[in-house]
Amino acid sequence: SQTIHQWPATLVQPVGSPLSLECTVEGTSNPNLYWYRQAAGRGLQLLFYSVGIGQISSEVPQNLSASRPQDRQFILSSKKLLLSDSGFYLCAWVLSGTQYFGPGTRLTVL
Amino acid sequence: GIQVEQSPPDLILQEGANSTLRCNFSDSVNNLQWFHQNPWGQLINLFYIPSGTKQNGRLSATTVATERYSLLYISSSQTTDSGVYFCAVHSGGSNYKLTFGKGTLLTVNP
Repeated sequence: SQTIHQWPATLVQPVGSPLSLECTVEGTSNPNLYWYRQAAGRGLQLLFYSVGIGQISSEVPQNLSASRPQDRQFILSSKKLLLSDSGFYLCAWVLSGTQYFGPGTRLTVL
Repeated sequence: GIQVEQSPPDLILQEGANSTLRCNFSDSVNNLQWFHQNPWGQLINLFYIPSGTKQNGRLSATTVATERYSLLYISSSQTTDSGVYFCAVHSGGSNYKLTFGKGTLLTVNP
């Protein structure tokens, strides 16, 4: 069966520090992968998506970047975190047109 | 881009009550999904329902694509039903990008 993992589960980082969040998928090949952010409040904002290795589409100009070094690995990064980068980061993938979400990483920037 | 509106934004129920959540969208869609976000942040798939009616236990959903709305019914609500309910739509393309509504925060009191 297919599963999606994210780590770390929680992270507290100082302003100006770098960031690397990882998402991996098991049990499938060449999935579409997505990074979403949920800020305080309820809305989910699509940040990046990828349809294959090395293929990244950015939805919103921001302080973040994404990479897909392997078929089932999707990484969200920042060189210097801002306070506004705090939030809940969710990775997702698609199976038969349906999106499934990972457990998320809760990031607090102080 | 496509707009997704959910109503009501907040709903408080007594255990055992029934409820209806609504999702309106501004354009034709290829896919519509309902999610439940539990208090720990996990987004759980409830329904993939671009049209028609589906039922899963106490939950059911109906999408009337021609009129651009979907309804989620919760019967005999339980405290574990509390959380935020999201509607999300995909309007086309192989990227399967979802646009989310702002959600309905449901609180079920014992």
